[in-house]
Amino acid sequence: GENVEQHPSTLSVQEGDSAVIKCTYSDSASNYFPWYKQELGKRPQLIIDIRSNVGEKKDQRIAVTLNKTAKHFSLHITETQPEDSAVYFCAASINQAGTALIFGKGTTLSVSS
Amino acid sequence: DVKVTQSSRYLVKRTGEKVFLECVQDMDHENMFWYRQDPGLGLRLIYFSYDVKMKEKGDIPEGYSVSREKKERFSLILESASTNQTSMYLCASIPRGVWNEQFFGPGTRLTVL
Repeated sequence: GENVEQHPSTLSVQEGDSAVIKCTYSDSASNYFPWYKQELGKRPQLIIDIRSNVGEKKDQRIAVTLNKTAKHFSLHITETQPEDSAVYFCAASINQAGTALIFGKGTTLSVSS
Repeated sequence: DVKVTQSSRYLVKRTGEKVFLECVQDMDHENMFWYRQDPGLGLRLIYFSYDVKMKEKGDIPEGYSVSREKKERFSLILESASTNQTSMYLCASIPRGVWNEQFFGPGTRLTVL
């Protein structure tokens, strides 16, 4: 079945450094790739997403890149801050409307000051 | 603000019991989802529903069933609870349309003894 691999599982950076999380997906029909952030004890929330017809998208300190040929997509966080510490999940759609998602296993990001 | 609520934050049940987890959303969303979240395994899709009385299997439907009799309510049923179903269960909903954010509930931590 469809699969999303996410690396690394844990990532520790110093405040101000950049952080990169990478995902690969198996279903070439996937057309929507969101990223969710889950702070400790809270529910996951969407932070950025990208559609298959776009190669890159930026929102302030966060950017996502997509390589459809290689079936890779990545989350880039610049100038990390302690409040960026959380678990980050990538996901890929498994239906045309992008309503059903397969999630990666998550990356625990720790930003130390 | 979209509100997704789940009937219990914590639940303790015994092996073999029938367990009902309820999810209610107040934004008239067509699509609803049930996930389970386990450390190191991320969010795994159990079932989803794109309309009343409609359901689709996700990645791990075995041992679960669902019910969607009203648009706002999506129930997850464990017919005969087992210890390996001890987990955090998250409900989510999104409106009709493509590539929309999934809004998650607060989660139900189920322990099966």
